[in-house]
Amino acid sequence: GAGVSQSPSNKVTEKGKDVELRCDPISGHTALYWYRQRLGQGLEFLIYFQGNSAPDKSGLPSDRFSAERTGESVSTLTIQRTQQEDSAVYLCASRRQGSGWTEAFFGQGTRLTVV
Amino acid sequence: LAKTTQPISMDSYEGQEVNITCSHNNIATNDYITWYQQFPSQGPRFIIQGYKTKVTNEVASLFIPADRKSSTLSLPRVSLSDTAVYYCLVGVYGNKLVFGAGTILRVKS
Repeated sequence: GAGVSQSPSNKVTEKGKDVELRCDPISGHTALYWYRQRLGQGLEFLIYFQGNSAPDKSGLPSDRFSAERTGESVSTLTIQRTQQEDSAVYLCASRRQGSGWTEAFFGQGTRLTVV
Repeated sequence: LAKTTQPISMDSYEGQEVNITCSHNNIATNDYITWYQQFPSQGPRFIIQGYKTKVTNEVASLFIPADRKSSTLSLPRVSLSDTAVYYCLVGVYGNKLVFGAGTILRVKS
């Protein structure tokens, strides 16, 4: 695809259920980021994947949150035992790593509502 | 990573020039300065990036003083469609991107 694709675009789930959010980065982009954005707030860094290096998980808020990435393609963010405070837009971004600075491209996000 | 400070919000009118300043007092030697724009219900979009002095593209200009402890995003002749949140980021190429709270720009007619 031409851009970063996220699915689903909207997800409503019951408290306590597990959810999986998917991100398809731009082809060839080795760096991939996940962010959480609560209503009216800025972007909160969650996790960063860079090629085959160990991911930077320093932003994951609790052990209920985890993410995986298959090689340099699809990534899945999983939230277990969802809580109401998990309600937010989850944004994914990808970036091409090269010899110089490159911009990050964002998807449209997945709006998660926990009821 | 350098922490950034921006005004929470700004108001302007169509046709005016808008300048948004970001403070980054502990910027490191190899840090770049990047600005992103975010419209409601969309992911952020890259606007401009620089290291020192002045950078200009078709959308905006970025002014960076010699000490690099601040930077100013300049939007010439804003329109209603420029109403958005503007984020200043400082960091090393290849590392995680850390967003601050951003500046809400409201353009009025």
